[in-house]
Amino acid sequence: GDSVTQMEGPVTLSEEAFLTINCTYTATGYPSLFWYVQYPGEGLQLLLKATKADDKGSNKGFEATYRKETTSFHLEKGSVQVSDSAVYFCALRGAQKLVFGQGTRLTINP
Amino acid sequence: DAGVIQSPRHEVTEMGQEVTLRCKPISGHDYLFWYRQTMMRGLELLIYFNNNVPIDDSGMPEDRFSAKMPNASFSTLKIQPSEPRDSAVYFCAIQGRNYGYTFGSGTRLTVV
Repeated sequence: GDSVTQMEGPVTLSEEAFLTINCTYTATGYPSLFWYVQYPGEGLQLLLKATKADDKGSNKGFEATYRKETTSFHLEKGSVQVSDSAVYFCALRGAQKLVFGQGTRLTINP
Repeated sequence: DAGVIQSPRHEVTEMGQEVTLRCKPISGHDYLFWYRQTMMRGLELLIYFNNNVPIDDSGMPEDRFSAKMPNASFSTLKIQPSEPRDSAVYFCAIQGRNYGYTFGSGTRLTVV
């Protein structure tokens, strides 16, 4: 079945560092890919998405490119801020439902 | 804009009691999902509905769990009887017509 594998956390970085969180997927067909972010005490919020190969999703300085050849959708940000501290989930949408990765906890220190 | 209101935000109950979690989608959805989140198992899909009809409940852990969606604006997840291992954060989410998911803020359930 469809599955998503994320880079294991937790990840701790200093402010203004470069961020990469790896995500690879297994799916039949051509799923849509997503990154969600969860701040403490809140539900998941859509951060960005890509619906076909080579699409780049971007939002709030975060980017991810849909790579069909490597079945990957890595999340990147050039300069992180303390306010980016959260849990990040990679997900794919198969036929009708989202399949989530296990989440990566990110902590940014000032 | 679609939104999701969950209640209560926090629930503490004793083992053996019945618990009912509520979800009110505001508008603009075709699908409604119930998820459970724990440190050990992460996010688990319990059940989802399409146009108020349950489509897949294979994620419901036991017969103690049941979910209903009597109309497009309301859904419940019931646990009867509750057990300590049911302690988790339960999320309701909807899929809007742009295929994005909107999550509620969750209900943190503690069974003692």
